[in-house]
Formats: sequence, C-alpha cells, structure tokens
Amino acid sequence: NAGVTQTPKFQVLKTGQSMTLQCAQDMNHNSMYWYRQDPGMGLRLIYYSASEGTTDKGEVPNGYNVSRLNKREFSLRLESAAPSQTSVYFCASRQGAGTEAFFGQGTRLTVV
Amino acid sequence: QKEVEQDPGPLSVPEGAIVSLNCTYSNSAFQYFMWYRQYSRKGPELLMYTYSSGNKEDGRFTAQVDKSSKYISLFIRDSQPSDSATYLCAGSGDYKLSFGAGTTVTVRA
Repeated sequence: NAGVTQTPKFQVLKTGQSMTLQCAQDMNHNSMYWYRQDPGMGLRLIYYSASEGTTDKGEVPNGYNVSRLNKREFSLRLESAAPSQTSVYFCASRQGAGTEAFFGQGTRLTVV
Repeated sequence: QKEVEQDPGPLSVPEGAIVSLNCTYSNSAFQYFMWYRQYSRKGPELLMYTYSSGNKEDGRFTAQVDKSSKYISLFIRDSQPSDSATYLCAGSGDYKLSFGAGTTVTVRA
C-alpha cells in the first residue's frame, strides 16, 4: 500500500521557470492538501481540496495554482518560480473533515 | 497570527525522562487534534488523534486536550533515543488542518 506518493522528490529550478508537483493517493480519500515547510515555520497550508471538483486557498496561496485532476490526484503548479518558494512541499490526504491526515515523503524544491 | 502556536524548542532530555510538549490554539471551531512525529528529511507521521477535550493514551504516549483553555499537550514517558524527532501539533474544525511550528526533541543516551 503506497499511501501518498509525491513526484519528484528533488528539483532545482531557475527563477522564472515553471513546474508542477504531482501527488497521488491510493486510500480513496476525499480531501487532499498541499503544505510547504520552512525552518521554524512548521507546515503552512497552500491549497486544499475538500472533495473532487473543489479547491480552496489556504494560508499562503500566492504564487501557486492547484488542480484536483480526479479523486486520486492533486497537483501544485508554480507558474514563475521565485527564490522565496524554495521549500519542502508536502502533500497530504484524509477521508474528510475530522479524520486524520496522511502525508507523502515530500518534494525538496530549490529555486536559484 | 497562526491558529496553532507551538514553542519550537529545541528540547534536550536524558534517556528515560518524561518529555512534555505543548501547543495553544485560537480557533474555537477546532474539534479534532493531532500530534505528528517527523524524522529528519521524512514526511510527518500520525502519532496521536483526539476528539474534543480529554486524554488519550497509547503506550508511552499520552495526548491531552483542554478546550476551555485551548491547550494541547503530548507526554512521552520513558523517552528513548529513537524518540528524537520533531513533533507537530495540529487542529481541525472542518476541512482545514492547521499545524504548529513543531518542537525538535533530542533524547540523549
């Protein structure tokens, strides 16, 4: 059982480049999340999808877009990467409100 | 202001000591509370899940929630070097799940 799978695991981008981070879960969960983790800041919510077909902004959405492709997949896109977006990105999923969330192993992104 | 506040530490204790971790939260709608453990360069993994106020015990771990004071605690008894990690508290009222900054704990052998 793979759980939550993120690709790629590592990425280096130049300022202004675009890329999409992929996330897939095989637990038939309804809700999916994207967080970024920076030293001393904990996990900050970028976007979430409560259910297939819906997406909502979190705490730090600027510079990002998301797509809930289907129930399994939730992607995060950086249209024009900036050094401030250097971070570790985590995808998570949960069955719904009030349930525990499960995390992927993260994507380490460096923007130079 | 973050919805969940957590002292980032770091916290260093000798093996066998009790580790006490605390968080406060501001969102009165929070009903569900979680503690996650994160090892270096890994994703967070669920440690404890509690609903509303009260205590929950699982082996060496005890989670407490006091909704009247908006206070969340995690206690680790008989701490082991393998407990060295970052511990993150989280609260949720609906679909949003908000985390504290995480506390880095080192258990010295």
